[in-house]
This record gives sequence, C-alpha cells and structure tokens, in this order.
Amino acid sequence: QVQLQQSGPGLLEPSQTLSLTCAISGDSVSSNNVAWNWIRASPSRGLEWLGRTYYMSKWYYESARSVKSRITLNPDASKNQFSLQLNSVTPEDTAVYYCARWDHVGRYFDHWGQGTLVTVSS
Amino acid sequence: DIVMTQSPLSLTVTPGEPASISCRSSQSLLFSDGSNCLGWYLQKPGQPPQLLISLTSNRASGVPDRFSGSGSGTDFTLKISRVEAEDVGVYYCMQALQTPLTFGGGTKVEIK
Repeated sequence: QVQLQQSGPGLLEPSQTLSLTCAISGDSVSSNNVAWNWIRASPSRGLEWLGRTYYMSKWYYESARSVKSRITLNPDASKNQFSLQLNSVTPEDTAVYYCARWDHVGRYFDHWGQGTLVTVSS
Repeated sequence: DIVMTQSPLSLTVTPGEPASISCRSSQSLLFSDGSNCLGWYLQKPGQPPQLLISLTSNRASGVPDRFSGSGSGTDFTLKISRVEAEDVGVYYCMQALQTPLTFGGGTKVEIK
C-alpha cells in the first residue's frame, strides 16, 4: 500500500523559502512509470499543479511556468522521499500543498499526501 | 497551457436524484493512442482529492458504478445516476494530456 507522508513548516514570512518533504512508503522514488508531484490548492487559484520529478534511466524535472524561476524539486533515493523548495514566497503562495504520485500509464494521480497548509504572512 | 472550464460552479441535489457536471478544454485532449486524456477527482472536506474517473470513462478502483464519465475531444461530462449524501464535495476535471497538468475550477456539490 503506497503512502505519502508530508512534513514541513506551515508558517512563513514573505521572502522566505518554502520547504516541504514527502516521504514515500510502499513504492520507490526511483520507480519507472510513475512521477512524484507537488500540487497546491487555494480559494483564489483552485488546484494548481506545480511540478514533478521522475526517473526513466535518468531524472526528469518539469514545473509550471508560474513558479519555474522559484521552484526546486529534489528526489532523494537514499531516504526514499522527494522535496519541494519554493523561493521568495509572498502571501499569494498561501495554500494547502499536496504531494501526489502520478501513474504515467493510466495518466492519473492515484496517491496523495495528507496536505500541508502553508501560510505566508508578516 | 490547456484551460479547463467547468459548469456549473455549484449544484444542490436531492438524494436519489441524478447530477451532471460539464467540463470543456481549450484544445482537444485526444492522445495518439485514441484515448481522451481527461480525469475527474472529488475533494471531500478536509481531504486531498481522490480519483474517480481516468481517461474519460475508466472508473477507479472502489468507485461506485453510479459515477460515469463520457465525452471526447474538448467536451466531457461526469454523471452521478443517483446522488448519495457521501457524494458531497468539490468535483474537478483535469486534463492529463500534457504538462502543465491543469484543473477545472471545480463544482461544489451539496445535498438538499
């Protein structure tokens, strides 16, 4: 049974860096045919896909244009987890952040983390 | 980016009655293998979204058969044949054709 467990701080000040980690159990971050994603949800932006990383003979990284200059995605095979870093946060980055597994074959998100409310406020 | 537009924004339904949600994409979601890359997710209060339907009409494991998906190209529909109390939440369509993966704005379903 695949489980994703998120961790990271929930309160940030503007200009700080958001850092979240998603620990994987029941699968491997290096598995083929899956990708490891970050998605956020907010009343103003709805559900917004932020980016993903996956391994197919080498590591691939993809991210949304809206955060491309600020986002870092890091898979860590030694700890079987992956992380999100988002630099220079503003109040607009306030949202519930989710990690999720993507099945390349079925083209769907099949497992999600529990969600982390991140609030950016001075 | 592919823009996803859902309607209606909200729906209040009597238990046992049907419900229908529409989703339109700004470009065709037809993939080269003939599948239409559209999925439906339900987010219940306080929970992450859960997969209902993939590739337009494939129900996910454990999803009741009162849920069905249809459509092709740019127009898609999710139907609930008989709404139950446990179906409340926000329903999202999502295009799975290309990154950036994009979601519709959501349809909130409430029970009368």
